[in-house]
Amino acid sequence: AQSVSQHNHHVILSEAASLELGCNYSYGGTVNLFWYVQYPGQHLQLLLKYFSGDPLVKGIKGFEAEFIKSKFSFNLRKPSVQWSDTAEYFCAVEYNFNKFYFGSGTKLNVKP
Amino acid sequence: GAVVSQHPSWVICKSGTSVKIECRSLDFQATTMFWYRQFPKQSLMLMATSNEGSKATYEQGVEKDKFLINHASLTLSTLTVTSAHPEDSSFYICSARVSDVARETQYFGPGTRLLVL
Repeated sequence: AQSVSQHNHHVILSEAASLELGCNYSYGGTVNLFWYVQYPGQHLQLLLKYFSGDPLVKGIKGFEAEFIKSKFSFNLRKPSVQWSDTAEYFCAVEYNFNKFYFGSGTKLNVKP
Repeated sequence: GAVVSQHPSWVICKSGTSVKIECRSLDFQATTMFWYRQFPKQSLMLMATSNEGSKATYEQGVEKDKFLINHASLTLSTLTVTSAHPEDSSFYICSARVSDVARETQYFGPGTRLLVL
C-alpha cells in the first residue's frame, strides 16, 4: 500500500523563525502533491499543489514547497512564520486518479 | 472560493442504528465527491469516491454494505453508516472536486463527528 510520511508530529517555533515540514511518499510513479492546512476550528484548506513543471511551488501566505523526485519528498517551507500560522498541516499525495493518501499531519505552534 | 457543507456536524447514536451524513457543494457542481475517515491523531483515510449517478468506488477494506454512499446529484452526496457500532465512532470528512480534470482541487467539508454508544 502507498504511504505518506510526515516526520514531525508537533513543531513549536517562535515568530520570525523559519519553517520546514517534511513529507515523504512511497510511490515511484507519477504523483500529484498537495499541502493542506487546518486552522483551529476550521476545515482543511489547500496551501499549494504540484502537478508538473517547476519543482518549486509557491502557495498562499508565503508558503512554498519543493518536489524532489529522487528523494520522494515534498517538503513545505516558510522563511518567517507568524503566530497566525499556528495550525495543523497535512501532506497529501494523489496516486493515479482520485486515489489520495494523506500524511498524519504536523501540528505547528507559533509562539508570539 | 468553493464551499462544501456537511450535516450534521455532530451525531450521537445508539449501537445498531443507522446514521446518514450529508455532503453538499454549495456554490459549484461537484462531479466527484470523496469520503474520508479520520481517527484521533491519525491521517485522513480515503473510504470511497463517488460520482454523480454511478456507484461509489470503495477503497480496500471499506465495507460497501456498511457505508452506503449515494451521490444523487451534482451537489449532494450522502454517507449512511448502517447498523452503527462503537468502532464506527470517528470523524467523517467529505470533499468535492469541481470536475473530472485531475488538476482540479478538492474542497473539504468541515467534517461530522460520530459517536456510537
